[in-house]
Amino acid sequence: AAGVIQSPRHLIKEKRETATLKCYPIPRHDTVYWYQQGPGQDPQFLISFYEKMQSDKGSIPDRFSAQQFSDYHSELNMSSLELGDSALYFCASSLTLHLNGTTRYEQYFGPGTRLTVT
Amino acid sequence: GQQVMQIPQYQHVQEGEDFTTYCNSSTTLSNIQWYKQRPGGHPVFLIQLVKSGEVKKQKRLTFQFGEAKKNSSLHITATQTTDVGTYFCAGLMDSNYQLIWGAGTKLIIKP
Repeated sequence: AAGVIQSPRHLIKEKRETATLKCYPIPRHDTVYWYQQGPGQDPQFLISFYEKMQSDKGSIPDRFSAQQFSDYHSELNMSSLELGDSALYFCASSLTLHLNGTTRYEQYFGPGTRLTVT
Repeated sequence: GQQVMQIPQYQHVQEGEDFTTYCNSSTTLSNIQWYKQRPGGHPVFLIQLVKSGEVKKQKRLTFQFGEAKKNSSLHITATQTTDVGTYFCAGLMDSNYQLIWGAGTKLIIKP
């Protein structure tokens, strides 16, 4: 079965540079999420898109922006990179299902992009 | 702010011993999900609990959702080396449908 694809898998940038991370969700999934995970930490929610519209915003710095395109892939743009931005960035996708009065929307995570800022 | 507290942060067990992690929310949850992240891997969805007092089993894993829908637990019976990883709960807030992650419990098998 198709999984969430992220590229690149590893990225090394210098301070003040920019970076663009890409995510290709599972086909027919309607929601995309971006997370940042530092070493030994839980995933920190950054932002999500439902049907290509921004649906929720978490702890995303103003230096970061994201969008979802007509083909449903999403990009996370990061500018003026700082050392503290070094982390694993996960993209996840989900399909919202309403069944028997409940909503199912389990998230399927991609392998992540490891960003190192030097 | 809304929080999901997860304890313990780490649990060291001998292979064959049991493991339990607990999550507690400050507010009522619409539902709760559990994920497992292996070292160097990505979170993988395990289960979603929706109903008050719900108990679900997956082989040696037992998941519970509290009657008040504010707490949940994951219990693993007779741990194996393949259980190693960090277990996260993530609760969907009843108030705003935002998913709040617990800090995770790392299961470590003693050599």
